[in-house]
Amino acid sequence: QSVLTQPPSASGTPGQRVTISCSGGTSNIGKNAVTWHQHLPGTAPKLLIYNNNERPSGVPDRFSGSRSGTSASLAISGLQSEDEADYYCAAWDASLNGWLFGGGTKVTVL
Amino acid sequence: QVQLRQSGPGLVKPSQTLSLTCAISGDSVSSISAAWNWIRQSPSRGLEWLGRTYYRSKWYNEYALSVRSRITINPDTSRNQFSLQLNSVTPEDTAAYYCARTVGHFDYWGQGTRVTVSS
Repeated sequence: QSVLTQPPSASGTPGQRVTISCSGGTSNIGKNAVTWHQHLPGTAPKLLIYNNNERPSGVPDRFSGSRSGTSASLAISGLQSEDEADYYCAAWDASLNGWLFGGGTKVTVL
Repeated sequence: QVQLRQSGPGLVKPSQTLSLTCAISGDSVSSISAAWNWIRQSPSRGLEWLGRTYYRSKWYNEYALSVRSRITINPDTSRNQFSLQLNSVTPEDTAAYYCARTVGHFDYWGQGTRVTVSS
């Protein structure tokens, strides 16, 4: 149902690198910056990446973002147990004149 | 440090109106560089943006197409807060509701309010 498409799940062992993709279109990711958010159940979502690849202060540099064309990705390097959470991409859609979120990717640390 | 504190009932009867409030500290609802949003999350829909209000010499409201006929977001400058009203709710509106600030991107979120629509 989400216009931004994410894989439903991703997993890795501690220390591994995990990459999450976010696929959109020309009116959203292709035109506007992508943000990434981490969401733990029962808590407020937390901003991880904004403007495609910038990290707010306090977010570890293990988290990195990139954008190419109408797709974006979030990479988590040096995976840690506390990274187990749901991750969402978001972008403004110029055609809908509203924010879009991806369907979310649940990251499991094996 | 911006903080958003939500309040409102966690149970609403079908066909009634869902009303939530988001109190802002550390910023102003009248800020000319921010917008104030409502988002909800449910297992079936994931995160869904509902709408926003913002001030740029005058007040603007923008709403998601999916709820446009039923939603109102109002700023309250005297209390530095903004509210959500969603009319004619059904069980499909059961979700966790969040308020959030955008300054070109979402940066601060409220703690969330779990709302159940049930008789």
